[in-house]
Amino acid sequence: QQQVKQSPQSLIVQKGGISIINCAYENTAFDYFPWYQQFPGKGPALLIAIRPDVSEKKEGRFTISFNKSAKQFSLHIMDSQPGDSATYFCAAAHTGRRALTFGSGTRLQVQP
Amino acid sequence: SAVISQKPSRDICQRGTSLTIQCQVDSQVTMMFWYRQQPGQSLTLIATANQGSEATYESGFVIDKFPISRPNLTFSTLTVSNMSPEDSSIYLCSVERGHTEAFFGQGTRLTVV
Repeated sequence: QQQVKQSPQSLIVQKGGISIINCAYENTAFDYFPWYQQFPGKGPALLIAIRPDVSEKKEGRFTISFNKSAKQFSLHIMDSQPGDSATYFCAAAHTGRRALTFGSGTRLQVQP
Repeated sequence: SAVISQKPSRDICQRGTSLTIQCQVDSQVTMMFWYRQQPGQSLTLIATANQGSEATYESGFVIDKFPISRPNLTFSTLTVSNMSPEDSSIYLCSVERGHTEAFFGQGTRLTVV
């Protein structure tokens, strides 16, 4: 019930392309879905987050799409840049359990 | 956001010893969390630490192995006790802001030899 499944495990994208990372969850109590970006040797940094009352949220080049009925959400990185090369984690939480449940992570490499 | 400082940033320890990791936050927070990130893996919650109460541990983590202190609203410590090489991981402190927004420290990279 607490699991969050993330795919793909790794992703290679050309500079300027679109990076898409997908996550699926089982627990319908989840009501908060953040994405984190982690560079080697650093802690995860909050990138963007969404709540289930909206289907899409955009911040700059980063967009979350959310499908409540399918229990899926995805991160789109538009115009991907080499500086976006990092590991991305989706996560989920709910009011009754404030701690985050993380997906397995996606290692993104953007080639120049 | 929140400024979270963790000490030490990394350490190499002998098996059988213990290491205490400190987490300092720049402002008062109700909930603090400790996570473990094994090499190349995702983050797993160890425990939730609230000021003035016992920490709540996740399945697979016990207080004798990972004692936690939370003496005030800006500070917490996690001790990794009687270490073995399997404890080699990154340990991360996290705080909550704005009802579930979570921010992380830079982590403590622990190697047990």
